[in-house]
Amino acid sequence: DAKTTQPPSMDCAEGRAANLPCNHSTISGNEYVYWYRQIHSQGPQYIIHGLKNNETNEMASLIITEDRKSSTLILPHATLRDTAVYYCIVRDSNAGGTSYGKLTFGQGTILTVHP
Amino acid sequence: NAGVTQTPKFQVLKTGQSMTLQCAQDMNHEYMSWYRQDPGMGLRLIHYSVGAGITDQGEVPNGYNVSRSTTEDFPLRLLSAAPSQTSVYFCASSSLSKNIQYFGAGTRLSVL
Repeated sequence: DAKTTQPPSMDCAEGRAANLPCNHSTISGNEYVYWYRQIHSQGPQYIIHGLKNNETNEMASLIITEDRKSSTLILPHATLRDTAVYYCIVRDSNAGGTSYGKLTFGQGTILTVHP
Repeated sequence: NAGVTQTPKFQVLKTGQSMTLQCAQDMNHEYMSWYRQDPGMGLRLIHYSVGAGITDQGEVPNGYNVSRSTTEDFPLRLLSAAPSQTSVYFCASSSLSKNIQYFGAGTRLSVL
């Protein structure tokens, strides 16, 4: 699976959009970009994923550059409850055998939303 | 729908003791896995399973055993606990058709 690079920390004002970048310059054609977050002391929570098109769900939007070497997770109206560590993970969703589902978590980005 | 349930939530062991961390899911997911998370670090994969009777090692398998006799349960066994195994342990599951992992609330283990 391709490695990812994220800034260690970011700040955002409550009510504003939070834009979290992720670099994955070695991504291959069949690898998806996944985003998870971990609120303090809780288990990680799935947010969104995508292959090459931009994606949106009730939690966030995912913007993937045309060359797929980087992406941005957008929380459109951040709240204090969005304070968490955000993980960008790249993996082959179609990996077969015993490699299926294996997620490699890096250090992530600590997002702090302040009033 | 309970999702992924881990028990116990907290546990304190003495060095050399054994114990089993329980993980159960009610979503009929084929894939299950165990991670550990040390303070200030990301999650590291210990063991995983793609179905009943099939298990494999992750990044940090030493000191841990797993088995998968049913689709629902995936227990993690510590045969002889060591202080280095003090950590928070998370169990996760996903379906093979939709690779989105759901995590339990975690087990906080201290080995003295």
